[in-house]
Amino acid sequence: EAGVAQSPRYKIIEKRQSVAFWCNPISGHATLYWYQQILGQGPKLLIQFQNNGVVDDSQLPKDRFSAERLKGVDSTLKIQPAKLEDSAVYLCASSYGNTGELFFGEGSRLTVL
Amino acid sequence: GQNIDQPTEMTATEGAIVQINCTYQTSGFNGLFWYQQHAGEAPTFLSYNVLDGLEEKGRFSSFLSRSKGYSYLLLKELQMKDSASYLCAVMDSNYQLIWGAGTKLIIKP
Repeated sequence: EAGVAQSPRYKIIEKRQSVAFWCNPISGHATLYWYQQILGQGPKLLIQFQNNGVVDDSQLPKDRFSAERLKGVDSTLKIQPAKLEDSAVYLCASSYGNTGELFFGEGSRLTVL
Repeated sequence: GQNIDQPTEMTATEGAIVQINCTYQTSGFNGLFWYQQHAGEAPTFLSYNVLDGLEEKGRFSSFLSRSKGYSYLLLKELQMKDSASYLCAVMDSNYQLIWGAGTKLIIKP
């Protein structure tokens, strides 16, 4: 069974530039999560989708971050414009339901200079 | 507010046993999860507790006391590959996962 796919693995941008991350969850997983993880900290939920609907985006900085999951399968997370404090690993995860057993992708490491 | 507390870092010796504690205060409880995260990699699921008691899975065991808001992860016969961060997460009444900051476990020969 294929795991959660994410791209790109690494991205370096200047502040005020934009960046987009892509995620393809495990086939059949209705729930998709985007997390931000800063070194030495636990994952911080940015947004949770159930199929193509948003379940929780309370911690998403909506002035600069956006995410979509148009067809209920793959998803894109965008940051525009980026700030220095956005430097982090962006983890995508999926689960069959809302079980708490999440399957994570390898993550996208963002460095903002 | 909701809070998960776990030690920042622990050190143990290869072949020994280590216990990583986690205490939590959340709005409701629908299960406690432990994840392992090697440096530079994504977290992977280790265990799930929803009822009080001990769940054993090979060298790893996880314990839960809901009345005390407390859990621990027990790792036996430590191997060098167990060097990783261990994340405790609680599912609250809204079925949202609340994550701890993780415990970095260092294994020495």
